[in-house]
Amino acid sequence: DQQVKQNSPSLSVQEGRISILNCDYTNSMFDYFLWYKKYPAEGPTFLISISSIKDKNEDGRFTVFLNKSAKHLSLHIVPSQPGDSAVYFCAASSFSSNTGKLIFGQGTTLQVKP
Amino acid sequence: EAQVTQNPRYLITVTGKKLTVTCSQNMNHEYMSWYRQDPGLGLRQIYYSMNVEVTDKGDVPEGYKVSRKEKRNFPLILESPSPNQTSLYFCASSWIGTDSLYEQYFGPGTRLTVT
Repeated sequence: DQQVKQNSPSLSVQEGRISILNCDYTNSMFDYFLWYKKYPAEGPTFLISISSIKDKNEDGRFTVFLNKSAKHLSLHIVPSQPGDSAVYFCAASSFSSNTGKLIFGQGTTLQVKP
Repeated sequence: EAQVTQNPRYLITVTGKKLTVTCSQNMNHEYMSWYRQDPGLGLRQIYYSMNVEVTDKGDVPEGYKVSRKEKRNFPLILESPSPNQTSLYFCASSWIGTDSLYEQYFGPGTRLTVT
């Protein structure tokens, strides 16, 4: 049972436009959400996070939105750059578990065309 | 340079032949973890360790062992590998803190094939 789902395996956008990556979760115990970025032949790197007490967190070109009632989060990249082309993983966790366990989605491959 | 290293990066082996994948971090992190990545499934946690001599099972621990004798090292041991353990493996580490526990640093991955 996939508790975190990224239903779009891939996304292609033009350089300079907005990229929107989506993620849905089913477990209402999740209270901390993260996005990781992964280039080929490298490990994932942490990008941005959001706590369930917030509905938006912004870091430069990257903004994460959280809609708790819909159990949905999204990552917006504005403007998109070719260097943003990578696989993006959404991840969720529960602070109360205190295990450091991250539940990952399947990933979305973003291609930004020059 | 702050990093998590894994060795080997690529390994092809046969069923039943014991192997160890090493993981080392130079950031003095208390927390370390192993994940496997499979197509369509994302990353799934195998084992984790909150500190030296403290380890616990993740979601998919069957067929794996770990040890944490030193803070910097967290080897993954496959006593009798089977083809269903063919996967891409990642080691990760982090400080233990409210948010930092989940903002983990990942190694480059080990591609394991068991025939």
